[in-house]
Amino acid sequence: NAGVTQTPKFRILKIGQSMTLQCTQDMNHNYMYWYRQDPGMGLKLIYYSVGAGITDKGEVPNGYNVSRSTTEDFPLRLELAAPSQTSVYFCASSYPRGGNEQFFGPGTRLTVL
Amino acid sequence: DQQVKQNSPSLSVQEGRISILNCDYTNSMFDYFLWYKKYPAEGPTFLISISSIKDKNEDGRFTVFLNKSAKHLSLHIVPSQPGDSAVYFCAASRVGNQFYFGTGTSLTVIP
Repeated sequence: NAGVTQTPKFRILKIGQSMTLQCTQDMNHNYMYWYRQDPGMGLKLIYYSVGAGITDKGEVPNGYNVSRSTTEDFPLRLELAAPSQTSVYFCASSYPRGGNEQFFGPGTRLTVL
Repeated sequence: DQQVKQNSPSLSVQEGRISILNCDYTNSMFDYFLWYKKYPAEGPTFLISISSIKDKNEDGRFTVFLNKSAKHLSLHIVPSQPGDSAVYFCAASRVGNQFYFGTGTSLTVIP
């Protein structure tokens, strides 16, 4: 099993550009999550999904969109990149949330200039 | 508002000694707590967990203690090894709800 994979590993965007961060898991987990980690801070939940076709906002959803068309994939879309979105983005998956550990991908380091 | 706090950004310990990492939370409704370990350029990996019905959980060299009245948990690593050098995050949740993460403590184990 590859676990949770994320692409790309690094990306530099200009202000106003858009991009999609890809996340795929092969553990047949129902739940998937997107977090961002800013320097010196903990992980903040952006969006999560409890299954294909179902998504919901986390703590910091503004400026992002998600979709979940399959169990395996949970892409994160940035429509109009802003410097405040410079961060490391982690995707994670788990069995039903709360009471179960989350498995994290290696992260995508995004810089918006 | 930071619901989970790790007040020590860093900790240095000699190899073979005990490492104690602390975590405080504000929401008394939290009933499940986890510790994650993170190496540079990697995602966090699960280390150990504890539910609110327990006050201690042990897994090899790692023990987590929970003091519900103080809203405090701690991770003990005994004996500490150089490979334990990493950033440690605590996380808390109510079962069925999202996890809230602390800001992390960077542990350095000195050989």
